[in-house]
Amino acid sequence: GAVVSQHPSRVICKSGTSVKIECRSLDFQATTMFWYRQFPKQSLMLMATSNEGSKATYEQGVEKDKFLINHASLTLSTLTVTSAHPEDSSFYICSARKLGPNEQFFGPGTRLTVL
Amino acid sequence: KQEVTQIPAALSVPEGENLVLNCSFTDSAIYNLQWFRQDPGKGLTSLLLIQSSQREQTSGRLNASLDKSSGRSTLYIAASQPGDSATYLCALNTDKLIFGTGTRLQVFP
Repeated sequence: GAVVSQHPSRVICKSGTSVKIECRSLDFQATTMFWYRQFPKQSLMLMATSNEGSKATYEQGVEKDKFLINHASLTLSTLTVTSAHPEDSSFYICSARKLGPNEQFFGPGTRLTVL
Repeated sequence: KQEVTQIPAALSVPEGENLVLNCSFTDSAIYNLQWFRQDPGKGLTSLLLIQSSQREQTSGRLNASLDKSSGRSTLYIAASQPGDSATYLCALNTDKLIFGTGTRLQVFP
């Protein structure tokens, strides 16, 4: 199989606080993981590419100091939304790339609501 | 810049019908193409992966084809069921995934 988990599945926080989201590949090693955000009725928008042991590569327009990404092991990447604001409320989804045919497998997503 | 378009944007059909969802792209320089489904409020489930050198893949009632020369992929769903209701996304893999605009499918009993 190729299972990816995310934790938490849902989080509500106050404006100005930081929130950490974890993404784990449960039964395979992933040298590369990706973070996306999705607004209602829209497709996924790639935020950053996370490579194990190196700095993440951010897409244009994504603030790297606001969305901190750490990929400390071959099975875990974390996204920290720092000083969250209501406009950061969104659905955040991670994926992990499996070696071989370059296939990506997605986590179940994290619904972030900033009050 | 690679652009990926899916038609139709939405589709509502009675159960039992055979369906064709279309995905078109502008640049044939891709590694592979994946089809996903997304249920409301959920992540993406990978349905089929077609590698660049392949022309089609099948899984159960699903069949996906890839024609790089014309920049098209189609997802064929046979004998649709209410459980097939979801949003279907195609995505080109050019090192990163580039998602299509999606097709919202509703299959009613």
